Amino acid sequence: DAGVTQSPTHLIKTRGQQVTLRCSPKSGHDTVSWYQQALGQGPQFIFQYYEEEERQRGNFPDRFSGHQFPNYSSELNVNALLLGDSALYLCASSLVKRDAFFGQGTRLTVV
Amino acid sequence: AQSVTQLDSHVSVSEGTPVLLRCNYSSSYSPSLFWYVQHPNKGLQLLLKYTSAATLVKGINGFEAEFKKSETSFHLTKPSAHMSDAAEYFCVVSGPDTDKLIFGTGTRLQVFP
Repeated sequence: DAGVTQSPTHLIKTRGQQVTLRCSPKSGHDTVSWYQQALGQGPQFIFQYYEEEERQRGNFPDRFSGHQFPNYSSELNVNALLLGDSALYLCASSLVKRDAFFGQGTRLTVV
Repeated sequence: AQSVTQLDSHVSVSEGTPVLLRCNYSSSYSPSLFWYVQHPNKGLQLLLKYTSAATLVKGINGFEAEFKKSETSFHLTKPSAHMSDAAEYFCVVSGPDTDKLIFGTGTRLQVFP
């Protein structure tokens, strides 16, 4: 059973560009959450998707958006990239109100 | 609002000695509390969780944590450190009606031979 898989593992983008990160949840999971982990910090909740809808959202600007597909996989989109968006982006999957399983993350560097 | 405070950013121990990683929480209602571990270039792994059952929680790899409401603490302990325990540890809280996890700033555990 493959766990949570994220792609790509590393990414370098230029300021002002747009980026899309992808996540495939653990088999059987229907809920996907995204977190941003800046260097030396704990992960911060961006948003959660369930039944293809955004269910909860953290304190992130509208430049951060997402999508969940019928097969429960998810995308995180970030527009107008800033240097401060450089971070490890983590995807976690779960069943609603159950334990979250994390992927290894996508390391985004904005130059 | 909920939050957790990890009292030490770095902890160093010798292999075979006890480990204590300290965490205090703040919550206006009964929280769910977790400890996660993050090894370099690996994802977060759940070590253990407290959800208002037994106050002493046992996790994987010999770790355990005790929920103390009077002290608003949830410290992580292990009787004997192993080299493979070297990693970043996060104390985490979530509320009763949300799956949103709120992470502390982390404690880096170093284990010396």
